[in-house]
Amino acid sequence: EPEVTQTPSHQVTQMGQEVILRCVPISNHLYFYWYRQILGQKVEFLVSFYNNEISEKSEIFDDQFSVERPDGSNFTLKIRSTKLEDSAMYFCASYQGSRSTGELFFGEGSRLTVL
Amino acid sequence: AQSVAQPEDQVNVAEGNPLTVKCTYSVSGNPYLFWYVQYPNRGLQFLLKYITGDNLVKGSYGFEAEFNKSQTSFHLKKPSALVSDSALYFCAVRDYGGSQGNLIFGKGTKLSVKP
Repeated sequence: EPEVTQTPSHQVTQMGQEVILRCVPISNHLYFYWYRQILGQKVEFLVSFYNNEISEKSEIFDDQFSVERPDGSNFTLKIRSTKLEDSAMYFCASYQGSRSTGELFFGEGSRLTVL
Repeated sequence: AQSVAQPEDQVNVAEGNPLTVKCTYSVSGNPYLFWYVQYPNRGLQFLLKYITGDNLVKGSYGFEAEFNKSQTSFHLKKPSALVSDSALYFCAVRDYGGSQGNLIFGKGTKLSVKP
């Protein structure tokens, strides 16, 4: 069964450092997302991406965050200068689009720890 | 604005007993409703969805959910709980007429099934 894969599974970084989280969505999907979950709590929407551009973003997704799809397969989330409060589990998800039955498929997540 | 409420932080059930995890929603258009499950240190797994049609939908692992438009609810149910059902459950909604596939999640309900 196709799946969304994420790397790394866990990253530890110093405050102020740049971090890139990587995702490989399901190959025929058209919409891509990043969500964040702090300490097993609520899953918060960060950003959605379609047709090589951001289609929607939340208030959390400020200028420190960026996304791109550099090579047609990877979908990355960059945090330019990490803060302590960026420590969370980051989930990538993909969605087929107009012909889909509607659910998002999630990866296993990347745990980011900022020290 | 669309939103989802899960009024219970935790639900405790004895193995073999029926379980219900509650969810109510608020959307501007027709709702697409979803339930996801998260096991410890894992990603979100899709359980079931309501798009249209029968109000009672069946999903994975013996779970089902009942859509009630008048009460704007989409409660998750299972006739006989298993210890292995213990996990974090998230209700989510997408406004079909809204953004491109993005899901808005409730805060999650921790289900604990005791032997």
